[in-house]
Amino acid sequence: TQLLEQSPQFLSIQEGENLTVYCNSSSVFSSLQWYRQEPGEGPVLLVTVVTGGEVKKLKRLTFQFGDARKDSSLHITAAQPGDTGLYLCAGAAYSGGSYIPTFGRGTSLIVHP
Amino acid sequence: DTGVSQNPRHKITKRGQNVTFRCDPISEHNRLYWYRQTLGQGPEFLTYFQNEAQLEKSRLLSDRFSAERPKGSFSTLEIQRTEQGDSAMYLCASSPAARGDSSYGYTFGSGTRLTVV
Repeated sequence: TQLLEQSPQFLSIQEGENLTVYCNSSSVFSSLQWYRQEPGEGPVLLVTVVTGGEVKKLKRLTFQFGDARKDSSLHITAAQPGDTGLYLCAGAAYSGGSYIPTFGRGTSLIVHP
Repeated sequence: DTGVSQNPRHKITKRGQNVTFRCDPISEHNRLYWYRQTLGQGPEFLTYFQNEAQLEKSRLLSDRFSAERPKGSFSTLEIQRTEQGDSAMYLCASSPAARGDSSYGYTFGSGTRLTVV
């Protein structure tokens, strides 16, 4: 099993602050995805990164894929209460002829107004 | 298309009973995945279908679990003789990805929350 370690596990900040969450593995992934999940709902895809060193921006969110494709980061600028949720990274691991997404435990973010 | 649909949203059952969940993926998606998520954890892979073929099963999928996707459209996940440890959120996801392509994201349903009492 290829493990994805996410840090920090919990983050509680005030509106307007910046934050970065990390996703690390000892394995190389062909692609990596970030999802946001709200309580009682399924994860919602935010972005897929494929190329080592790739940086993608989604409004106030910036995603980076490590050069070696073993790690990724998500940076949020000027966090808002609507950003509250569980942020999950998932790496595509090749198994049995298919790519199976393997998830980390997530970072639980609370943004206080 | 309204996305991935899962039914029921919630299920409470007594230990030892059988339960079945249904997932309707996005119609043009040929890949369908089942995951299980417990509190404080990320989703754990259970099984995966490419059209009607079940191509991969996790070791988490014990003999009491069975999944089907008979016509390559909707899928069912059955748990026989439920145990309290089966209590979790069961998530279904679908993807349009062709085999060997990892660049597509996955669309998840809202899940079925199972509580075994």
